Amino acid sequence: EVPLVESGGGLVQPGGSLRLSCAASGFTFRNYWMHWVRQTPGKGLVWVSRISRDGSTTTYVDPVEGRFTIFRDNAKNTLFLQMNNLRAEDTALYYCAGSRDYDESFDYWGQGTLVTVSS
Amino acid sequence: SYVLTQPPSVSVAPGKTARMTCGGDDIGSKTVHWYQQKSGQAPVLVIFSDSDRPSGIPERFSGSNSGNTATLTISRVEAGDEADFYCQVWDNSGDHYVFGPGTKVTVL
Repeated sequence: EVPLVESGGGLVQPGGSLRLSCAASGFTFRNYWMHWVRQTPGKGLVWVSRISRDGSTTTYVDPVEGRFTIFRDNAKNTLFLQMNNLRAEDTALYYCAGSRDYDESFDYWGQGTLVTVSS
Repeated sequence: SYVLTQPPSVSVAPGKTARMTCGGDDIGSKTVHWYQQKSGQAPVLVIFSDSDRPSGIPERFSGSNSGNTATLTISRVEAGDEADFYCQVWDNSGDHYVFGPGTKVTVL
């Protein structure tokens, strides 16, 4: 069973919006800090955003601050990333990942959803 | 912001030992995690907290961390170990997560 399944990616024009979802199963979602990590094709991993177990604390990497919003629904075991004012440089494969605490390893990963920003 | 460095590539013959480094300023004072990413797949955690192995990861994978260098070692390398390997730390000064650029391991 795949612990995390992302969806919501697609082709969007610059300035547009997308909402990514990440459905969790097989572990106690509410006990995990959750993250979004992106990877440009052929490049490395870049952490994008983090949310605390209860959703009260969020953190973002500088390039997405003010444009992206991470949130979660623990009742539905789902993580989200609302992406607004998208830029070409946001084009990437977006993974969701889970860690037991804010300073611990990313134990669970999804398979990723591809976001392409292009006119 | 905190920066991690990794050699772009490491080549190793089957059955031999592969060692790859992850460099950072006083990285020994931080906790390092390592991920393996095979072609077309999601990353998988192979070492956490410098040297611990998650369940299901072979004992051939080991890690160490001291001074300015963390090291991932793969003993008795197999063809199936071919992948990109990324080190990662939590940068407490910026409260951000940092990945190294990755090392591509090629099994000859």
